[in-house]
Amino acid sequence: SQQGEEDPQALSIQEGENATMNCSYKTSINNLQWYRQNSGRGLVHLILIRSNEREKHSGRLRVTLDTSKKSSSLLITASRAADTASYFCASPSGSARQLTFGSGTQLTVLP
Amino acid sequence: DGGITQSPKYLFRKEGQNVTLSCEQNLNHDAMYWYRQDPGQGLRLIYYSQIVNDFQKGDIAEGYSVSREKKESFPLTVTSAQKNPTAFYLCAAGPGLEQYFGPGTRLTVT
Repeated sequence: SQQGEEDPQALSIQEGENATMNCSYKTSINNLQWYRQNSGRGLVHLILIRSNEREKHSGRLRVTLDTSKKSSSLLITASRAADTASYFCASPSGSARQLTFGSGTQLTVLP
Repeated sequence: DGGITQSPKYLFRKEGQNVTLSCEQNLNHDAMYWYRQDPGQGLRLIYYSQIVNDFQKGDIAEGYSVSREKKESFPLTVTSAQKNPTAFYLCAAGPGLEQYFGPGTRLTVT
């Protein structure tokens, strides 16, 4: 079963606008990660937030984590056409540094 | 994608044939992973390996096999027992929590 589920499944915005994606998970975690995937390519690690952190920034990215609600959000500010991609949250599962990925949010930034 | 190579990028096979997908890394990471991605969906773990000569099944290992004879290499064989092998296959490696991905191989079986 999916540990993380993203919402919305698809998002279309104009260049310059902010984009917010949400992720919910089911079991307790000690960290959560966000990845980006351009069409037909591999995933790229964006940011990791630990369970003792509520918010983390990296450039135009802002990630929040609410462990009481078992949810996380990814905010991309001042979006660009190059931000068009699928975004996945991933949380630890099982043992040995396994990750379970959500089904992703497809973001389209229109020029 | 740097440091992890997958070949070929596109692969076509006839039903009933086994096929091996290559994954090589020069990042010196102990752990390596194989995922399958179907259109519009997330990644599902097929197999993973924490160390040379050791590997474990993931969530969807049936119809797949792997080997880990060298730290740098983690090939995946899609056997004829895999009922629906057409998919995008991604290899990853990681030192710990984060994983680094290759560019993927798109396998089409007809």
